[in-house]
Amino acid sequence: DGGITQSPKYLFRKEGQNVTLSCEQNLNHDAMYWYRQDPGQGLRLIYYSQIVNDFQKGDIAEGYSVSREKKESFPLTVTSAQKNPTAFYLCASSILAADEQFFGPGTRLTVL
Amino acid sequence: GENVEQHPSTLSVQEGDSAVIKCTYSDSASNYFPWYKQELGKRPQLIIDIRSNVGEKKDQRIAVTLNKTAKHFSLHITETQPEDSAVYFCAASGRGSTLGRLYFGRGTQLTVWP
Repeated sequence: DGGITQSPKYLFRKEGQNVTLSCEQNLNHDAMYWYRQDPGQGLRLIYYSQIVNDFQKGDIAEGYSVSREKKESFPLTVTSAQKNPTAFYLCASSILAADEQFFGPGTRLTVL
Repeated sequence: GENVEQHPSTLSVQEGDSAVIKCTYSDSASNYFPWYKQELGKRPQLIIDIRSNVGEKKDQRIAVTLNKTAKHFSLHITETQPEDSAVYFCAASGRGSTLGRLYFGRGTQLTVWP
């Protein structure tokens, strides 16, 4: 449980502002992921990274950006270009590709 | 890329009955199929997974079956209990250019009535 953390748990922002969500893991996992969860939509992949300094777009990358400067950190920035950013955001990590993903507790973002 | 379909979207069973959730996938090269359980307000957690070199895997009341020819896999929960109530997600691994990611189904809301 304590291996992957997200902060903050709840986040409120005004429309038009960029906001960065934190994701940290101490599991020594190579791969990290960001998902967005909306009611009835399941888990939709935003970005993923298999190694430091490299990342790939997922299915809904528009309006989001990421960086992977350190193995243990994978922050997600929700930009003003994201049309409907209010959602529950989940970060995950795995030892290798095609392996069990461990999820963080999530950040609920509300844009007012 | 891979496409994962999950059915049903909602499932209600009486305590003690069995529950079955089915998923189909499109890419025959996928080789890893996990199932996650997400309780209300909590993070998804792996409950069981299967790789393409086996056809069935069991863990106490939970089992997963895989039919590679038909490209579908199923989650079976026996002797259901109220604490099994949650949303269940299936997933299939990417291959080739999408190696390293999972493709998730839309989820099944399971409700177990006492």
